[in-house]
Amino acid sequence: EVKLVESGGGLVQPGRSLKLSCAASGFSFNDYWMGWVRQAPGKGLEWIGEINQDSSTINYTPSLKDKFTISRDNAQNTLYLQMSKLGSEDTAIYYCARADMDAWGQGASVTVSS
Amino acid sequence: DIKMTQSPSSLSASLGERVTISCRASENINNYLSWYQKKEDGSVKLLIYHTSRLQPGAPSRFSGSGSGKDYSLTISGLESEDIATYYCQQGYTPPYTFGAGTKLELK
Repeated sequence: EVKLVESGGGLVQPGRSLKLSCAASGFSFNDYWMGWVRQAPGKGLEWIGEINQDSSTINYTPSLKDKFTISRDNAQNTLYLQMSKLGSEDTAIYYCARADMDAWGQGASVTVSS
Repeated sequence: DIKMTQSPSSLSASLGERVTISCRASENINNYLSWYQKKEDGSVKLLIYHTSRLQPGAPSRFSGSGSGKDYSLTISGLESEDIATYYCQQGYTPPYTFGAGTKLELK
């Protein structure tokens, strides 16, 4: 069974950083592009970005490119999202997904507030 | 960025009714269009990819069509488990933008 489990969410102060993890199982992680999507309260889904199998290609939505960094550790079957300079607009549920969007995690909640 | 305009934003329908949701891209996306179902519990499921291909495990009452800029998702007979928010997404060029969503409710 394909499983994606996000962790690392929580309450963070404005201007601080936070790193999310996504543990993958049930498939050959290093064969797949992976990605992140978020949903702010009362808003729709927003594509954050994606990373290819060997991390040589990473695509971001332009408005987040300077704040967010996607990486992966194929030995640990784990995807990461490093978020910096967080603001209230980054409060959201963050989902990891296979880049084809055929498998999603349950999401990690991030709240940016003082 | 390619803008995806989804309509309607909300829809009320009866069980067994045929439901159609539309999605228009700001440019030709060459059938790289997917549909997703998001439930209140937060789970997200891919239903349709490449305009009309049914994702394994998705019920056959879901179908997709379209070309160029205009696409649609149809539920041939609404069931209670279909109550959710539906999103389209273009997969033609990054950033792979989503529509704003259609919230489907029971009449």
